[in-house]
Amino acid sequence: ILNVEQSPQSLHVQEGDSTNFTCSFPSSNFYALHWYRWETAKSPEALFVMTLNGDEKKKGRISATLNTKEGYSYLYIKGSQPEDSATYLCAPNSGGSNYKLTFGKGTLLTVNP
Amino acid sequence: DAMVIQNPRYQVTQFGKPVTLSCSQTLNHNVMYWYQQKSSQAPKLLFHYYDKDFNNEADTPDNFQSRRPNTSFCFLDIRSPGLGDAAMYLCATSKRGFSTDTQYFGPGTRLTVL
Repeated sequence: ILNVEQSPQSLHVQEGDSTNFTCSFPSSNFYALHWYRWETAKSPEALFVMTLNGDEKKKGRISATLNTKEGYSYLYIKGSQPEDSATYLCAPNSGGSNYKLTFGKGTLLTVNP
Repeated sequence: DAMVIQNPRYQVTQFGKPVTLSCSQTLNHNVMYWYQQKSSQAPKLLFHYYDKDFNNEADTPDNFQSRRPNTSFCFLDIRSPGLGDAAMYLCATSKRGFSTDTQYFGPGTRLTVL
């Protein structure tokens, strides 16, 4: 069973704050890492797919980095807005099953206006 | 426009009473997945279809079955729901099932077992 850890479990920030969270995963047999954003009562929405060590992806105020050698990814949000409030899930794809995403429990972000 | 649709959004069933959850997609994707997410836990893959080929995860209980009558629809059948089966059930699709393929999710069905 693939062990995927996300930290922190939850955090509250003020509007305008920048924040970041971590996804840790086993570095062996790594294929790809996915980040999703899941707002309450909506569908989880894909943010990034990352494959290469040192990869950095950006989408508006959100960016992510990947370290496959040590098995972690960071997600950064610059200047958080209330609409960024959501659960952020990471899902590495590894272990020899190229179809299978193993999700972490997620980080619940609440941005207070 | 919704691409992965799940019905119903909320389902209440009684202990032991069979229940079926529905998923449809307008993406014409080859792969469809069912995930279970219990409270405060990570979404967990139950099974997936590649076209008509069914792939069960080793730890998925026998109580859970699935059907995919055509490309667009996939059903999750819970034969005898127990209290421990109360969860959010997510359906997802991907084009080919490759490691880099984005999975597109529906909004989920929250199942309550009384």
